[in-house]
Amino acid sequence: KNQVEQSPQSLIILEGKNCTLQCNYTVSPFSNLRWYKQDTGRGPVSLTIMTFSENTKSNGRYTATLDADTKQSSLHITASQLSDSASYICVVSASNYGQNFVFGPGTRLSVLP
Amino acid sequence: KAGVTQTPRYLIKTRGQQVTLSCSPISGHRSVSWYQQTPGQGLQFLFEYFSETQRNKGNFPGRFSGRQFSNSRSEMNVSTLELGDSALYLCASSPGQVDYGYTFGSGTRLTVV
Repeated sequence: KNQVEQSPQSLIILEGKNCTLQCNYTVSPFSNLRWYKQDTGRGPVSLTIMTFSENTKSNGRYTATLDADTKQSSLHITASQLSDSASYICVVSASNYGQNFVFGPGTRLSVLP
Repeated sequence: KAGVTQTPRYLIKTRGQQVTLSCSPISGHRSVSWYQQTPGQGLQFLFEYFSETQRNKGNFPGRFSGRQFSNSRSEMNVSTLELGDSALYLCASSPGQVDYGYTFGSGTRLTVV
């Protein structure tokens, strides 16, 4: 069964600290993996998209890693800011065309001053 | 460049009624997909349209339907509303032919009372 799991379910950190969010998947075949940031009441915004051959991709203070062998991905946030408070959703695609996405449940991050 | 526009932003309906939600994709995007997001189930795929044809469909009852117009704008309809249909409904658009990634709108918050 295609599944995406994320951990932790929620996380509280202080402003300026770093954190790492985890994503494990069992989706097959694998096409790509994305990380989205979703502010409360808003639509998700794409942070990174990684294909099978990519190990690391950065977008500002966000760095995603992918290990296709162990089917794990992580999202590292550096020097967190209050605006990083949001849900972070890992999404794995099983095809290149059309919709075949498997969504993770998300990690709720709260950054406190 | 305008993003994905969803209207209305908020909607309150009574059980048994029907509702139509609208989504205008990014100019040039031919694929529009719809999602339901609830606290308990997370993001779930409803259906996807590409060039006015439904290309993929999730596991939702027939009360949920959609269509896409020649200008790529899409509508989603839910008939005989149930309390459990209360959710954030998100629309996402993409160029459609290759899985470049999807840009989400801000969503329509539907409350069924």
